[in-house]
Amino acid sequence: DTGVSQDPRHKITKRGQNVTFRCDPISEHNRLYWYRQTLGQGPEFLTYFQNEAQLEKSRLLSDRFSAERPKGSFSTLEIQRTEQGDSAMYLCASSLAGVGGANVLTFGAGSRLTVL
Amino acid sequence: AQKVTQAQTEISVVEKEDVTLDCVYETRDTTYYLFWYKQPPSGELVFLIRRNSFDEQNEISGRYSWNFQKSTSSFNFTITASQVVDSAVYFCALSADGNNRKLIWGLGTSLAVNP
Repeated sequence: DTGVSQDPRHKITKRGQNVTFRCDPISEHNRLYWYRQTLGQGPEFLTYFQNEAQLEKSRLLSDRFSAERPKGSFSTLEIQRTEQGDSAMYLCASSLAGVGGANVLTFGAGSRLTVL
Repeated sequence: AQKVTQAQTEISVVEKEDVTLDCVYETRDTTYYLFWYKQPPSGELVFLIRRNSFDEQNEISGRYSWNFQKSTSSFNFTITASQVVDSAVYFCALSADGNNRKLIWGLGTSLAVNP
């Protein structure tokens, strides 16, 4: 397993278009997270899944954002009717839930979105 | 409220210098976890260390060391004999919900190590 993969790495789109990002986590990891990061900021939590269930969504996640994780494997993050404010790096991370408290996240390289 | 403060926005050092990155956190929880992640120019966040609130032992890993002090709510990170490859943004993060559903991140410290 080569880690967490994200696709595409870069996406340039025009305002109003829809975009979709894909994340393939480490295969044995049951938790998957989406974060958004803008320049000079730390990652902002968007949502997370345990297996196929979406357990939490941030208030940052407007109705234009939707995430899925069918069958508890890969995940997609779709942004509809993109706005310039959506321009950011979208990070995916996975972890293995278990005993012992906070687990360590393994991050992908991110998908950079530019909305013109 | 939970918060992580990394007061140093940017640090620039010359290779082989020692450098300390500061992290101060706020939480009312008695059980919590602290992390350091490194984000090199390639963009991928890389895990460095996790420390739980009950373990105040300092840790050393090669040129990296961490000083956890609950009395001052600090979890500082020192790089000894810095190298150009250490150039990156370093983030300190706090997890106080036990399940790590989300981390609270500092704004990061950008470290430039110059030859």
